[in-house]
Amino acid sequence: KQEVTQIPAALSVPEGENLVLNCSFTDSAIYNLQWFRQDPGKGLTSLLLIQSSQREQTSGRLNASLDKSSGRSTLYIAASQPGDSATYLCAVEGGSYIPTFGRGTSLIVHP
Amino acid sequence: DAGVTQSPTHLIKTRGQQVTLRCSPKSGHDTVSWYQQALGQGPQFIFQYYEEEERQRGNFPDRFSGHQFPNYSSELNVNALLLGDSALYLCASTLRPDTDTQYFGPGTRLTVL
Repeated sequence: KQEVTQIPAALSVPEGENLVLNCSFTDSAIYNLQWFRQDPGKGLTSLLLIQSSQREQTSGRLNASLDKSSGRSTLYIAASQPGDSATYLCAVEGGSYIPTFGRGTSLIVHP
Repeated sequence: DAGVTQSPTHLIKTRGQQVTLRCSPKSGHDTVSWYQQALGQGPQFIFQYYEEEERQRGNFPDRFSGHQFPNYSSELNVNALLLGDSALYLCASTLRPDTDTQYFGPGTRLTVL
C-alpha cells in the first residue's frame, strides 16, 4: 500500500525566503507525482505535475523535482510572498490513476 | 468554461440521517471521482464513476454510495451518518478514467452533530 509523507507539517517564514517542501513515498512504481495548493476550506488547485520519466517541472517561482528511485520529491518556492500562504499537498499516482495524498504542509508567509 | 461545481457548499446533519451531495464535472469531462478530506488530513479516495458505473472504489463502507447521470454529473450518498463522517467532500473530474490531470471542485463541508 502506497504511503505518502510530507515534511514539515507546518512552516512559518518571513516574506522573501526561499522554501523547500518535502514529500516521500514508499512505492516507487508510480506514473506521476503532483503538487497541489489548498486554501482553507477550499478545493485543490494543481500546481505542478511530474511524469515518472521526468526529473523536474517549473512554473513561475515554483520548481518541483522527482527522484523516483529514492521515493522523494521536493517543491521549491522562490522569493515567498504572503499570497503563497496555504496548504501544499503532494499526491502520487500508480497504475490505477487514483492519487494517494500526503497530509500536506501548512505554510504561512508573514509580511 | 465552467469548472467543477459542487452543491451544497455547507451542510449540517445529525447522526443517523442520510445526505446527498452533488457534482457537475468540468465541461467535456466524463469521469468523476469523490474524495473525503477530514480536518488536517489529505483527501482519501472514495470511488470513481465512468459511463454511469462505479469503476473503482477505495476503502469506504457500503454506507457510501454514488450515482452518475447521462450528463456525467454525479451524486454521493451517505446513509446512517456518523460523527466521523464530518469532513470536506471533494469531487474531481477527468477527461477519461485513465488520465492524470484531475480538476477539483470547491468541496462540500459536511458537519454531523
